[in-house]
Amino acid sequence: DAGVIQSPRHEVTEMGQEVTLRCKPISGHNSLFWYRQTMMRGLELLIYFNNNVPIDDSGMPEDRFSAKMPNASFSTLKIQPSEPRDSAVYFCASTVEWGRQPQHFGDGTRLSIL
Amino acid sequence: DQQVKQNSPSLSVQEGRISILNCDYTNSMFDYFLWYKKYPAEGPTFLISISSIKDKNEDGRFTVFLNKSAKHLSLHIVPSQPGDSAVYFCAASEAGNMLTFGGGTRLMVKP
Repeated sequence: DAGVIQSPRHEVTEMGQEVTLRCKPISGHNSLFWYRQTMMRGLELLIYFNNNVPIDDSGMPEDRFSAKMPNASFSTLKIQPSEPRDSAVYFCASTVEWGRQPQHFGDGTRLSIL
Repeated sequence: DQQVKQNSPSLSVQEGRISILNCDYTNSMFDYFLWYKKYPAEGPTFLISISSIKDKNEDGRFTVFLNKSAKHLSLHIVPSQPGDSAVYFCAASEAGNMLTFGGGTRLMVKP
């Protein structure tokens, strides 16, 4: 079975450019999560969706960050404009239903903003 | 404020011995706890979980213990194998799906 698929795996771009990260959750999973991992702050939740609806975006650091989930099989995390401090590994995760179910993670996108 | 803490950034263990990874939390409302394992350049992989109504859950070589009064959980790996070398994250949630992660502990199992 295919797991959570993220693209691209690596992204290097210059400060000020728009960055779009993509995620395909596991088929049948109703909840989707975006995380960011940095050395300083560890693994932190940015936003999560349930049945394609954003439930909590309190972890989104600034208005430069936005996330969408137009359908059950696709989500994007966009940074516009990007800044060097956005450099991190961004993970997407999904789970089968709201509640006590483990989340399944993608392999992440390593983002470097120069 | 870190609600979930892993105070040991790294741990080194000899192959065949027991590995004990620890995790402390401050939010008494947390009722579901998980351990994830992460290899370099991969996402975290779910390992084992425990509900707050239990104090122990076992799955093969992996056992998680929960001490609610101390707000402490631990992961025991017996026997440890070189393939267990990875970063281990504990995570906790409160009546839902929002996970709060600890900072991770790097386990190195030496042959």
